[in-house]
Amino acid sequence: DAGITQSPRYKITETGRQVTLMCHQTWSHSYMFWYRQDLGHGLRLIYYSAAADITDKGEVPDGYVVSRSKTENFPLTLESATRSQTSVYFCASSDGTENTEAFFGQGTRLTVV
Amino acid sequence: ELKVEQNPLFLSMQEGKNYTIYCNYSTTSDRLYWYRQDPGKSLESLFVLLSNGAVKQEGRLMASLDTKARLSTLHITAAVHDLSATYFCAVDMRRDDKIIFGKGTRLHILP
Repeated sequence: DAGITQSPRYKITETGRQVTLMCHQTWSHSYMFWYRQDLGHGLRLIYYSAAADITDKGEVPDGYVVSRSKTENFPLTLESATRSQTSVYFCASSDGTENTEAFFGQGTRLTVV
Repeated sequence: ELKVEQNPLFLSMQEGKNYTIYCNYSTTSDRLYWYRQDPGKSLESLFVLLSNGAVKQEGRLMASLDTKARLSTLHITAAVHDLSATYFCAVDMRRDDKIIFGKGTRLHILP
């Protein structure tokens, strides 16, 4: 299916475990983003990427790692999950052209226990 | 560092009334977006505003952009219950390749 998909949709993990959230888009968009959404904070940018093999830190990158070996994939890894990383995570992509916004995946609800 | 501030953060209003949500940002922007989010759902794009003085309308929603004042507004005309949602503005910083969001305005429209 065309679009942007995230997996899993729901995940429960234990403190200290490594977990990877997947994001895949079929549009060949250059730009991809990871946000976390928490009550009272809106959406905060974790990492972003302008192209394959180019990534950069956003507002709240600590505790997260990303990679982008292929244009269509942008996985987010929590190297050692903490309770404070319990959140809803959204991936987004954009082609960067003038009149086009970013499109969002359905989100992953992550609970760290 | 870019800051994006929305106000109010919460708004409860009666059906049929008009109201405006404000979005202020701290540095020069390339473009500004408005999104809507329903509870438990993803974000849906409403408007893309590209230049100073841009105005876009869709149904009861109208968005405008004043780049000199670094201000965007989302105006709701004759609100209806179906417009209850959280509305986000987001500033696109193309020279830095990132998009920064405000905290969102939770809009509750009472029948």
